[in-house]
Amino acid sequence: EAQVTQNPRYLITVTGKKLTVTCSQNMNHEYMSWYRQDPGLGLRQIYYSMNVEVTDKGDVPEGYKVSRKEKRNFPLILESPSPNQTSLYFCASSFRAYNEQFFGPGTRLTVL
Amino acid sequence: GQQLNQNPQSMFIQEGEDVSMNCTSSSIFNTWLWYKQDPGEGPVLLIALYKAGELTSNGRLTAQFGITRKDSFLNISASIPSDVGIYFCAGFVSNFGNEKLTFGTGTRLTIIP
Repeated sequence: EAQVTQNPRYLITVTGKKLTVTCSQNMNHEYMSWYRQDPGLGLRQIYYSMNVEVTDKGDVPEGYKVSRKEKRNFPLILESPSPNQTSLYFCASSFRAYNEQFFGPGTRLTVL
Repeated sequence: GQQLNQNPQSMFIQEGEDVSMNCTSSSIFNTWLWYKQDPGEGPVLLIALYKAGELTSNGRLTAQFGITRKDSFLNISASIPSDVGIYFCAGFVSNFGNEKLTFGTGTRLTIIP
């Protein structure tokens, strides 16, 4: 089944404790992206990747890192999480940015 | 960073009513996309628009790519309970090889029993 998987689905952590949210797709998509969703602000892009080893900042990259060492995986890293990073995070993939993006199920992160 | 403005932010309608929403930007886009997010799920693509002036339908949904390329519209006819959710527009532009997709702030649709 074609899908985008994210792990974990829910995470509660404390300020400053490094964490990684994994994202994997099995559709051989070149384009992958991370978004955060906050009430009233819609979906805001954090980082995107157009291919392996090619990543670029989205609209809200501060406090986040990503890597794209393999085509299928695009982990999101929070080196030192802060409470303002409490949010719902979505990973998505597509062949190109203007094609249909397939979204993962979301990761709800709470930073205390 | 840029965000697209969607209006209205929320809608409360009765089943059977028609729905109209729009998305506006200060910048030009080459592609407009409309997504729907069901509660507890990730967004799913409804309609993609690739040319200014284009009008495209998907069942009861109709979307238009504005002539100015700075706006887009989505209409839903004869709403049903499964239309409940958040609708997002997204605009795409390519700058010097970078492919940037920007999402709107969303329109939350609620159907009043």
